[in-house]
Amino acid sequence: DTEVTQTPKHLVMGMTNKKSLKCEQHMGHRAMYWYKQKAKKPPELMFVYSYEKLSINESVPSRFSPECPNSSLLNLHLHALQPEDSALYLCASSQAPYRRSETYEQYFGPGTRLTVT
Amino acid sequence: GNSVTQMEGPVTLSEEAFLTINCTYTATGYPSLFWYVQYPGEGLQLLLKATKADDKGSNKGFEATYRKETTSFHLEKGSVQVSDSAVYFCALRRAAGNKLTFGGGTRVLVKP
Repeated sequence: DTEVTQTPKHLVMGMTNKKSLKCEQHMGHRAMYWYKQKAKKPPELMFVYSYEKLSINESVPSRFSPECPNSSLLNLHLHALQPEDSALYLCASSQAPYRRSETYEQYFGPGTRLTVT
Repeated sequence: GNSVTQMEGPVTLSEEAFLTINCTYTATGYPSLFWYVQYPGEGLQLLLKATKADDKGSNKGFEATYRKETTSFHLEKGSVQVSDSAVYFCALRRAAGNKLTFGGGTRVLVKP
């Protein structure tokens, strides 16, 4: 099973709302990622978790708050978003490299399409 | 820093035509190279990969060869189908770390 699932598929929220995006994988991967993708652009990395610890934060505004409650789940908590945050949010997972020479492919979920009104 | 440059689209082809999407990269060391495909309304799917020079990745009739001397990883398919209409992303990842660096994407439209 090489599936990464994301819920919800679509989300519309106001600028004062609090919502969460969820991601799940059962491939035993210990690295999980959040990306943001605007229309006709490549994905932009937001956060990386490795062994349930935050290892990379690409200077993302604090209105986005990631959480990795266990090795299979990844959440992205949203609060006080702006209309420019409307985008497709993609979750991905991969094995976590043990050695510098290793590299593992990332498996992506279908994404949550977020609209901020 | 690392960067990936792809040919701009859209690329419009007829069914059974030959497809080439150019990809060149800039990176230190020996990165791994990937092609991802994104069908309309979906996430990214790994199409193929190559981890060292002269490796050839292949999948679903697509091929790409890791050319270190020209820092390229061009994607090719000999006979495209309408179902190959999608956006294709070239990407690299350095051996140390988890970060993928993507090219800008190339939209391919195959007409019957």
